[in-house]
Amino acid sequence: ETGVTQTPRHLVMGMTNKKSLKCEQHLGHNAMYWYKQSAKKPLELMFVYNFKEQTENNSVPSRFSPECPNSSHLFLHLHTLQPEDSALYLCASSRRPPSGPPSGTDTQYFGPGTRLTVL
Amino acid sequence: DAKTTQPTSMDCAEGRAANLPCNHSTISGNEYVYWYRQIHSQGPQYIIHGLKNNETNEMASLIITEDRKSSTLILPHATLRDTAVYYCIVRPTDSWGKFQFGAGTQVVVTP
Repeated sequence: ETGVTQTPRHLVMGMTNKKSLKCEQHLGHNAMYWYKQSAKKPLELMFVYNFKEQTENNSVPSRFSPECPNSSHLFLHLHTLQPEDSALYLCASSRRPPSGPPSGTDTQYFGPGTRLTVL
Repeated sequence: DAKTTQPTSMDCAEGRAANLPCNHSTISGNEYVYWYRQIHSQGPQYIIHGLKNNETNEMASLIITEDRKSSTLILPHATLRDTAVYYCIVRPTDSWGKFQFGAGTQVVVTP
């Protein structure tokens, strides 16, 4: 496979369930991202991982727990979710240089997303 | 705060060029202009980006005005598969990961 893949593509879960979303990138990138897209709202950045280290958490509730075991894989562990958490969850990856300041040119490539429904 | 302004929607005839405008009047000198598109319920797809010069790739052309306060994405020969929401994003250079998506332009290509 090429690019960024996400599994599952669709997920329905109850509020007491625990589930995980998986993202895998085959682009040789070293930074990975989770975004949330609720109905009729813009994409919201949730988490950023750079070289497996979390570098950003945009005030995301603790019921969302990310994990990045290596630069190719990213997980989003879900527990005790609310119906308002129903959304399209998107993973992205980019290539960043190992050192130096940001340059604004680390193009992000997105996966197809996981459509999550919380009942 | 959104740094770009785009029309809410546009229609385009199949086979014709689609010209998508974007205003970014507060853009800084070293900020890039990025374009993505999102077909319904799929992940955003990277199209093109540029700084000052016009850019062209296999998908589209990006025309940036000399004062950099606006740009136009051109799809040279629109097809039905180009129906999507198109996002114009100004990319700050002082931090990583800051792609701020707005509402975009809903483009509908009709036969």
